[in-house]
Amino acid sequence: DTAVSQTPKYLVTQMGNDKSIKCEQNLGHDTMYWYKQDSKKFLKIMFSYNNKELIINETVPNRFSPKSPDKAHLNLHINSLELGDSAVYFCASSQDWTGELFFGEGSRLTVL
Amino acid sequence: AQSVTQLDSQVPVFEEAPVELRCNYSSSVSVYLFWYVQYPNQGLQLLLKYLSGSTLVKGINGFEAEFNKSQTSFHLRKPSVHISDTAEYFCAVSPLQKLVFGTGTRLLVSP
Repeated sequence: DTAVSQTPKYLVTQMGNDKSIKCEQNLGHDTMYWYKQDSKKFLKIMFSYNNKELIINETVPNRFSPKSPDKAHLNLHINSLELGDSAVYFCASSQDWTGELFFGEGSRLTVL
Repeated sequence: AQSVTQLDSQVPVFEEAPVELRCNYSSSVSVYLFWYVQYPNQGLQLLLKYLSGSTLVKGINGFEAEFNKSQTSFHLRKPSVHISDTAEYFCAVSPLQKLVFGTGTRLLVSP
């Protein structure tokens, strides 16, 4: 039973399109995150939600809009995709702040 | 602002040899320190963490790390590596409820 699951695993799309990535966790955690990993493997936090409330927004363009319908789900919608959005997007969750994050397997987005 | 430096982008090593992956951090306040591992095509998994207390921290898969405040380092070590340890290793620091990652070190274990 996967703890943090993301769909889809792979996304290939054209510039200018809109796409969504879904994330669900069955660990009962209160906090969920989106991280972006670029082609050089650099990982950077994008957003963090605690119990459906946005707590971290790391100067991400407005084209990126996270949505948390409940504390077990955190979806990421991206409008007007650009080439630079190509990356692997990781969802993660944590119960408290001791830094132990549980990551999903990632969603590889390729913008052509 | 807090930051993490992993000086080695890649570390090749033979199976059963010891290994050390280096991590230095900068922070003006107390932080928590972490090592995460990423196997190919997978998400990250926590190896070990330092929150407080003993500066020598033991983690999963035989890894350990030592927190050195004076040298602002948190190097990861394993006395004898296996082929299956081949992966990307990330050091991270956590200020203010988020993880700031280093650029990663690729550990390549060969027979």
